[in-house]
Amino acid sequence: AQRVTQPEKLLSVFKGAPVELKCNYSYSGSPELFWYVQYSRQRLQLLLRHISRESIKGFTADLNKGETSFHLKKPFAQEEDSAMYYCAGREGGKLIFGQGTELSVKP
Amino acid sequence: DTGVSQDPRHKITKRGQNVTFRCDPISEHNRLYWYRQTLGQGPEFLTYFQNEAQLEKSRLLSDRFSAERPKGSFSTLEIQRTEQGDSAMYLCASSHRDWTLVPYFGPGTRLLVL
Repeated sequence: AQRVTQPEKLLSVFKGAPVELKCNYSYSGSPELFWYVQYSRQRLQLLLRHISRESIKGFTADLNKGETSFHLKKPFAQEEDSAMYYCAGREGGKLIFGQGTELSVKP
Repeated sequence: DTGVSQDPRHKITKRGQNVTFRCDPISEHNRLYWYRQTLGQGPEFLTYFQNEAQLEKSRLLSDRFSAERPKGSFSTLEIQRTEQGDSAMYLCASSHRDWTLVPYFGPGTRLLVL
């Protein structure tokens, strides 16, 4: 079975510091990976997907097939980035999610 | 609001009772997914539909769970003879059946089984 692993349950940084949320995957074939975000009291929403190669709210993520990783990065964290972040990969017609990382950005 | 909606948002029930949740997807979406999320975990896949056809069910979905999407629009998820371990957030999502297939999530139904 395909797996998505987020090794950190909690990541705490100060405002303005760089952020890297880790995601590793175990997939056969070509993976299709996503990052979802859930702000407090809001629904889960798509942040970005690797095939789009886009930057949303200053976040980027690059697929590294050699390291089987899809880490989420932002050079300067903002307080409003505090949220739960979930990495997900497509398996057939559905998404498989990691356990999530809570990002806390302190002033 | 044109997003995915779920009803009820909260449900408290006693062990052994049956509960039913409803999901209304985004109107032009023909795929509908159910996920379950417990505290400290990511969403776990339960089942999904394309139109009215249930295409896949997780092993997590015991015989006490049943999902339907009779007209290919809204869906219901029923849990019979609820157990305390069923306490969780039940998430619904929908997507187009095209190459993007990105699910959009609803707000969830939080179930507490006493």
